[in-house]
Amino acid sequence: AQRVTQPEKLLSVFKGAPVELKCNYSYSGSPELFWYVQYSRQRLQLLLRHISRESIKGFTADLNKGETSFHLKKPFAQEEDSAMYYCALSSSGNTPLVFGKGTRLSVIA
Amino acid sequence: ETGVTQSPTHLIKTRGQQVTLRCSSQSGHNTVSWYQQALGQGPQFIFQYYREEENGRGNFPPRFSGLQFPNYSSELNVNALELDDSALYLCASSLDQEFNEQFFGPGTRLTVL
Repeated sequence: AQRVTQPEKLLSVFKGAPVELKCNYSYSGSPELFWYVQYSRQRLQLLLRHISRESIKGFTADLNKGETSFHLKKPFAQEEDSAMYYCALSSSGNTPLVFGKGTRLSVIA
Repeated sequence: ETGVTQSPTHLIKTRGQQVTLRCSSQSGHNTVSWYQQALGQGPQFIFQYYREEENGRGNFPPRFSGLQFPNYSSELNVNALELDDSALYLCASSLDQEFNEQFFGPGTRLTVL
């Protein structure tokens, strides 16, 4: 069965500090992995996906198949990064996403 | 280009009642997926509609049903409401059954008393 684990419910960091939001997955095949973000009073939106290997708003995430992880990182946190972050997995483009429970990131000024 | 819209924003029902939630897909999208997000949880896939037919279903009982209309808008119906059905219901639209490029609506908050 596919499973996504985000071990931290809440992560608080100071502005300018590095951020790492952890995501571990359970899937026997080659997964497609995503990070979604939900800012206060806004809708859920795609932040990045591993297949595109892009950096969005300074965030990057590397798929580590050996550790079955897809941690989200940013070298210098900004106050506007405060939001709810969800890691999600799909076995292919035509299969439903499986979401983790989410991590609330709070960036303190 | 218009985004995904959902109605109503909030509603309150009592156990045993029935509810219908509505979703209008983003312009140009022909696929709608529905998710349930309970408090403190991530979204959980209910089902997807493509070309007016159910195209995949998650682990939800038959009292959760849906429709898609020719204009690609969709309804989620829940019969015999239970307290555990209280959640945020999200719909997401995409093109051609895609899950990788979904755009989410703002959600409908359902409270069952």
